[in-house]
Amino acid sequence: GQQVMQIPQYQHVQEGEDFTTYCNSSTTLSNIQWYKQRPGGHPVFLIQLVKSGEVKKQKRLTFQFGEAKKNSSLHITATQTTDVGTYFCAGLGNQGAQKLVFGQGTRLTINP
Amino acid sequence: EPEVTQTPSHQVTQMGQEVILRCVPISNHLYFYWYRQILGQKVEFLVSFYNNEISEKSEIFDDQFSVERPDGSNFTLKIRSTKLEDSAMYFCASRWEASTDTQYFGPGTRLTVL
Repeated sequence: GQQVMQIPQYQHVQEGEDFTTYCNSSTTLSNIQWYKQRPGGHPVFLIQLVKSGEVKKQKRLTFQFGEAKKNSSLHITATQTTDVGTYFCAGLGNQGAQKLVFGQGTRLTINP
Repeated sequence: EPEVTQTPSHQVTQMGQEVILRCVPISNHLYFYWYRQILGQKVEFLVSFYNNEISEKSEIFDDQFSVERPDGSNFTLKIRSTKLEDSAMYFCASRWEASTDTQYFGPGTRLTVL
């Protein structure tokens, strides 16, 4: 079945440093979604990418979807302590697919 | 902003007991989901529900699990005979219509099986 791999599993940075997490799917995705989960919280939707090669920005966050629609990345510029949490990518397979297949997540911790 | 709500926030049960986890999806949404997250692990799909029937389920969703939409607002997950390995955070999610729509997650129910 479809698998989504995400690296790194953990990332610790100094406040102000950049952070990137990468996501790879075993199959082509119809779209990919990114979620943030704070410790003890629930996944909160950040963004969705649909088109091949798509790049979207949200303030300091940049999201990319690969040309082959099998990989994606999230880059945070100049991290702040509020960025702490686990970032998950989640892919939808075929058009009309129901289930989101989540990556393992990247847990970001920040030294102030 | 509309939210998915879940009750209870924490459920403790003895192994072998039945539990029902409750969710109230966002009111105009048509698709409903249950996911679970074992502590420290990734979120895993359990089941999707549309038009009063299961549309897709994972291998985790065996005969011990069932879902129901008993009225126009609630969406429930029942585990008939809980096992220790069922201990996890269970998230309900809903989306409006198109498969590209966002799935909105509830705050989760932490299930602890003793």
